[in-house]
Amino acid sequence: RKEVEQDPGPFNVPEGATVAFNCTYSNSASQSFFWYRQDCRKEPKLLMSVYSSGNEDGRFTAQLNRASQYISLLIRDSKLSDSATYLCVVSGGSNYKLTFGKGTLLTMNP
Amino acid sequence: ETGVTQSPTHLIKTRGQQVTLRCSSQSGHNTVSWYQQALGQGPQFIFQYYREEENGRGNFPPRFSGLQFPNYSSELNVNALELDDSALYLCASSLGFRGTTGELFFGEGSRLTVL
Repeated sequence: RKEVEQDPGPFNVPEGATVAFNCTYSNSASQSFFWYRQDCRKEPKLLMSVYSSGNEDGRFTAQLNRASQYISLLIRDSKLSDSATYLCVVSGGSNYKLTFGKGTLLTMNP
Repeated sequence: ETGVTQSPTHLIKTRGQQVTLRCSSQSGHNTVSWYQQALGQGPQFIFQYYREEENGRGNFPPRFSGLQFPNYSSELNVNALELDDSALYLCASSLGFRGTTGELFFGEGSRLTVL
């Protein structure tokens, strides 16, 4: 079983739609959780951290369920500029290495 | 701009050759991590350096090695290159293992093609 598994995608959605990304992780000792965004042929950049209580940043909402080892990201009122690959990331251990999922490609259609 | 710079940005090598990739971390950051990202995959952790010492290693063979210098810049060396080593190599810096927010700051990467 892979350490971090995401929806395989790709997603092609019309502008304005709500988009949901799902992710599961296998290591119950994982301590921190993130969503990173990666534009085509660019480096990953932090989109948002994910907290057990759930957190929201504008159009983006992230949820964490530790019991189910499940992480989600919701994008409301999606825009053309949201087109990118979304990477689910977990971390833990003494050196705080990041473990990335394979990523889900989102393509927004006008 | 993250302040993390990598060189070279692109390079082509042949099987069996050796390559050195370089990374300058963001000012004030003392920790550098290296990741390999194959096409269509997420980045995979290679190793991390903290204050010039290796501090953790992923599932990569010994022909992947690294260094961190007193100014916290870093090198990734790969010997005996194989076709599967073709990938984007990303360097990430932070202050301490997890920085102040848990965020890692990535450079734009070095894209290696092995023929």
